[in-house]
Amino acid sequence: EPEVTQTPSHQVTQMGQEVILRCVPISNHLYFYWYRQILGQKVEFLVSFYNNEISEKSEIFDDQFSVERPDGSNFTLKIRSTKLEDSAMYFCASRDTNLADAKNIQYFGAGTRLSVL
Amino acid sequence: ELKVEQNPLFLSMQEGKNYTIYCNYSTTSDRLYWYRQDPGKSLESLFVLLSNGAVKQEGRLMASLDTKARLSTLHITAAVHDLSATYFCAVDRDTPLVFGKGTRLSVIA
Repeated sequence: EPEVTQTPSHQVTQMGQEVILRCVPISNHLYFYWYRQILGQKVEFLVSFYNNEISEKSEIFDDQFSVERPDGSNFTLKIRSTKLEDSAMYFCASRDTNLADAKNIQYFGAGTRLSVL
Repeated sequence: ELKVEQNPLFLSMQEGKNYTIYCNYSTTSDRLYWYRQDPGKSLESLFVLLSNGAVKQEGRLMASLDTKARLSTLHITAAVHDLSATYFCAVDRDTPLVFGKGTRLSVIA
């Protein structure tokens, strides 16, 4: 069964450092998302991406964040200068473009746990 | 702004008992999802509910949707330890998903 793949599974970084989280969405999907879950809290939307551009972003997604689709398979989230409060689990998700699929399910990757020290 | 409220947030129940988790949302939505999350793991899709009166069942879990009341329920029948996890409902209206805070379920012997 196709799945969304995220790497690394755990990233430890020092405050102020840049990190890049990687995602390989399901191959025929064209809508991509990043969500964040701080430990013990709910899942929060960060950004959605379609047709090589951001389609929607939340208040959390400030200038320190960026997303990119550098090639035909990867979808990355970059945090330029990490802060302690960026420590969280980051989930990538993708969605089929088949509008006839009324379920319109977003499929989630296993997540990357980011620890900022 | 779309808001999603779940209750209870914590639930400890004995094996064999029944219980219901509630999910209220504030505005009209297109779809309602239930996800399961085990500690440190990703989100596993359980149910997608599309229309008023929709009911779906999988094993000991049954989800329903009342769009007029803006309410979904996840009913657990004869709980077993393997159901221990955090359950999230999520709502979307032209995506992205808005999640509830989750219900942490512990099933004890």
